[in-house]
Amino acid sequence: DTAVSQTPKYLVTQMGNDKSIKCEQNLGHDTMYWYKQDSKKFLKIMFSYNNKELIINETVPNRFSPKSPDKAHLNLHINSLELGDSAVYFCASSQGTGKAYTFGSGTRLTVV
Amino acid sequence: GESVGLHLPTLSVQEGDNSIINCAYSNSASDYFIWYKQESGKGPQFIIDIRSNMDKRQGQRVTVLLNKTVKHLSLQIAATQPGDSAVYFCAENIGNYQLIWGAGTKLIIKP
Repeated sequence: DTAVSQTPKYLVTQMGNDKSIKCEQNLGHDTMYWYKQDSKKFLKIMFSYNNKELIINETVPNRFSPKSPDKAHLNLHINSLELGDSAVYFCASSQGTGKAYTFGSGTRLTVV
Repeated sequence: GESVGLHLPTLSVQEGDNSIINCAYSNSASDYFIWYKQESGKGPQFIIDIRSNMDKRQGQRVTVLLNKTVKHLSLQIAATQPGDSAVYFCAENIGNYQLIWGAGTKLIIKP
């Protein structure tokens, strides 16, 4: 009964490939997020969806495209992967604004 | 306090002592603050939160203090244990579903 689950946990791929990371939450939250964490542990918001609607779209290359088929799922598709995309990607959810997030366990993406 | 920088601030504490992790926040209009703990290989985990109408809140072995005058937030961990080793993040809610995150502090427990 994992609250926020993301798959895969590890992803190693070659430059130029296209890959997807999936996220699902069973908390009934209406808002979901994608964060990127670099090697210095800094957390950077990428996208946020509220009830399937995109509400935060930070300065992220347009090779990254989020998709929310319903409010329990938020997937991240990355085209033409580059070495600099290597990082840990976290999915999170919250019940609206001004509430704590629940994070998934992360996807470690390594581009070689 | 934390700011975006090149190094992850580190705090070393003797096992059994109290730990105090500090955070300077940026927006005087922020109304909600959260502390997260991130253990190695895991996602950030909620520890404790505080709203701006309070200046202190206590949990189990943890206390958060909020000083709005100087925009400062601290997390106190009583009787630090080896399991407290982690990176700790503060976050402030600025509204519109956005949290501003601190750079994190790595807590190391010395035996």
